[in-house]
Amino acid sequence: SQELEQSPQSLIVQEGKNLTINCTSSKTLYGLYWYKQKYGEGLIFLMMLQKGGEEKSHEKITAKLDEKKQQSSLHITASQPSHAGIYLCGADGYSGGSNYKLTFGKGTLLTVNP
Amino acid sequence: EAQVTQNPRYLITVTGKKLTVTCSQNMNHEYMSWYRQDPGLGLRQIYYSMNVEVTDKGDVPEGYKVSRKEKRNFPLILESPSPNQTSLYFCASKLHGALNTEAFFGQGTRLTVV
Repeated sequence: SQELEQSPQSLIVQEGKNLTINCTSSKTLYGLYWYKQKYGEGLIFLMMLQKGGEEKSHEKITAKLDEKKQQSSLHITASQPSHAGIYLCGADGYSGGSNYKLTFGKGTLLTVNP
Repeated sequence: EAQVTQNPRYLITVTGKKLTVTCSQNMNHEYMSWYRQDPGLGLRQIYYSMNVEVTDKGDVPEGYKVSRKEKRNFPLILESPSPNQTSLYFCASKLHGALNTEAFFGQGTRLTVV
């Protein structure tokens, strides 16, 4: 089954600093999703990447999928306290027959200090 | 408004007392799934359903049951809850189970089994 490894597990930054979170897959990624979660709450969809080399941005968050489609990075520019939370990468994986399964990395806990 | 609705949001119960967590989506999605989220273990899939009357085990199905009698609803049943099922549970839905479709998540159900 597909495994997603996220790094770092946790990150503390000062407001205004840039940061990067990585997500590495054991298999080729056919679709890679980034979600954000506030503690104890539901997941909010950020972006989906499909093609090797693809890059998407939303406000100050940029996500990239590498050419080999086995690694994705999430970059936040000029971080703000509102960026704090848990960031999760997820990917569709084939699970047999015509079934696909959406699996997730363990998440990266981001703290932004004012 | 497009949404996935879980109920209840919080539940404290005793060991062995059967309970059901409901999940409903209003987007006519084919694919629905249940996850549990535990510290250090991330989001783990319990069961998923590709469509009505089609369900399959995820990574941690022991102690859980599901049913998919109609498209919009996907209840999670704990026949005899045990303390190790204390967790934060999420329901999710996607347009279909194939690749590259965004998953929408409910707000979560925090279950405590004493």
